[in-house]
Amino acid sequence: AQKVTQAQTEISVVEKEDVTLDCVYETRDTTYYLFWYKQPPSGELVFLIRRNSFDEQNEISGRYSWNFQKSTSSFNFTITASQVVDSAVYFCALSEAGTASKLTFGTGTRLQVTL
Amino acid sequence: DGGITQSPKYLFRKEGQNVTLSCEQNLNHDAMYWYRQDPGQGLRLIYYSQIVNDFQKGDIAEGYSVSREKKESFPLTVTSAQKNPTAFYLCASRQGDNYNSPLHFGNGTRLTVT
Repeated sequence: AQKVTQAQTEISVVEKEDVTLDCVYETRDTTYYLFWYKQPPSGELVFLIRRNSFDEQNEISGRYSWNFQKSTSSFNFTITASQVVDSAVYFCALSEAGTASKLTFGTGTRLQVTL
Repeated sequence: DGGITQSPKYLFRKEGQNVTLSCEQNLNHDAMYWYRQDPGQGLRLIYYSQIVNDFQKGDIAEGYSVSREKKESFPLTVTSAQKNPTAFYLCASRQGDNYNSPLHFGNGTRLTVT
């Protein structure tokens, strides 16, 4: 069965600090996709990135970067030089090829960035 | 602009009453989903629909019902049989039903039942 674990319930940092959000997943499938979503206070989940199981290249997008390691079943998300606008709940999710309709979410990590 | 509209944003009901949450999308997406969000539990799948006039139960379908009469609309009814209906409900859609496609979400409806 597929499972996503985000062990960090809440993280507080001061603006300009770097912060890493952890995501560990479990799956028996060899073909799958991993996603990160951001949920600001408005409530809507915003898609940030997806990564397929055959592509372990790290990705950087501005202040955001993602580290995918199949050996440890992790897909961690780092925000560099955090800003107050980064304050949100962040969700990691897993979608297996064999269960096309089901996206399994972690419990989320609430990030609070203060001045 | 294309997107998903959920209404109302806040909904209050008395225990024992059925209530229907609206979800409309103009993205021309085939698949639509309903998730429930509770504090500390992430998002859990209630129902999903891959095509019009067809839908499947998710992980926590008991006490809920849906319909998919039009491609654009996927309303969710929370029945009196749902034991803990107070929650934040999110509707989502995606193109086709590919496991590699990201979901697009609405702004959610916060339901409070007293």
